[in-house]
Amino acid sequence: QVQLVESGGGVVQPGGSLRLSCAASGFTFSIYNMHWVRQTPGKGLEWVAFIAYDGSNKYYAESVKGRFTISRGNSKNTLFLQMSSLRVEDTAVYYCAKDMGSGSFSFDSWGQGALVTVSS
Amino acid sequence: QSVLTQPPSASGSPGQSVTISCTGSSSDVGAYNYVSWYQHYPGKAPTLMIYEVTRRPSGVPDRFSGSKSGNTASLTVSGLQAEDEAEYYCSSYGGSNNWVFGGGTKVTVL
Repeated sequence: QVQLVESGGGVVQPGGSLRLSCAASGFTFSIYNMHWVRQTPGKGLEWVAFIAYDGSNKYYAESVKGRFTISRGNSKNTLFLQMSSLRVEDTAVYYCAKDMGSGSFSFDSWGQGALVTVSS
Repeated sequence: QSVLTQPPSASGSPGQSVTISCTGSSSDVGAYNYVSWYQHYPGKAPTLMIYEVTRRPSGVPDRFSGSKSGNTASLTVSGLQAEDEAEYYCSSYGGSNNWVFGGGTKVTVL
């Protein structure tokens, strides 16, 4: 069965950097688009970034554009999110999510999330 | 402030139905039949319940159904069960390689 496991969360000061990883298993990782989605404290979900199955296309939410970079390693079935110039408002649980594919524009599997706290 | 608007809470007794609304705009919900709904228990991974407005992934009970009218989508849970108590989020493709979400609705089974 599909499994997505995030790691790399932690506490970082404003202006700092952090790299999240998402280990994927149970499906052919290299043929699926992937996303990062976050849930800020007391608020709803917010889509963060998208990467095509082969890494050829990447898209970002305006709130993180220029500061976050999504990437993937298909040989190791791993998704990454490099976060730089972190702000207090980036504090959230970050989920990696598998795109359902077939043009459904939905997320059919999610990890349990990694908590990122940006605080001085 | 989420792009899509959901009521913060909804409730019903076991066996009853509850409907959650998700209001967007002509740029997202109204423009595309790409509305999806997610069930989320605290500390767990969210689960896809409805995609493409009305379609259910395999394994999701047919008590869950989706619909859309104009800029508002809805999720209906019929025959409420105790295990349906969770947070529910709607999402829509927003065009221009962007996805938007609602703020979530806490469903309570009385």
